[in-house]
Amino acid sequence: RKEVEQDPGPFNVPEGATVAFNCTYSNSASQSFFWYRQDCRKEPKLLMSVYSSGNEDGRFTAQLNRASQYISLLIRDSKLSDSATYLCVVKTGANNLFFGTGTRLTVIP
Amino acid sequence: EAGVVQSPRYKIIEKKQPVAFWCNPISGHNTLYWYLQNLGQGPELLIRYENEEAVDDSQLPKDRFSAERLKGVDSTLKIQPAELGDSAVYLCASSLGVDRGTQYFGPGTRLLVL
Repeated sequence: RKEVEQDPGPFNVPEGATVAFNCTYSNSASQSFFWYRQDCRKEPKLLMSVYSSGNEDGRFTAQLNRASQYISLLIRDSKLSDSATYLCVVKTGANNLFFGTGTRLTVIP
Repeated sequence: EAGVVQSPRYKIIEKKQPVAFWCNPISGHNTLYWYLQNLGQGPELLIRYENEEAVDDSQLPKDRFSAERLKGVDSTLKIQPAELGDSAVYLCASSLGVDRGTQYFGPGTRLLVL
């Protein structure tokens, strides 16, 4: 079983739409959680960390449910520039990052 | 401040040939990572260095892959001999410490083995 599972998509949404991505992780001892963004043929870049209390950064909201081992990312008022692949990332006690396959988002004009 | 630097950006070789990738981490970052990313997949860790010590190389295929980080700064990843299935993007990342700071990725080396 993979450490991190996420729906690869693709998600095609119109500008201004709200879109949500989910992922699950298998290791209940995982310590830290992140969403990374990867543009086509570019390197992954940290989008935001995910905290148990939930956190928001502008149009982006991340949630963590430790009991269900579930992480989510909500993007409100989608922009064309949000088109990218969003990688769910989990950090274990060994301090290694495990990446999901990524969910591809395309925002359509 | 310069980010993680990798070279070459692209490499095309024939199978059974050797290939090497080079990484220069962000200045002051003690931890360096090499990842492999296949098309449509997330990055997978190959090896992690703390300064010059390889502290996790459990996912490195040691029959053909090797890595070094002399002097605890730059690192090289080598494949010898390369196989068709090695075609992928090889990403280098660095962080301040194993439990400190964000991992910053370099642009990667895109390898094609023919």
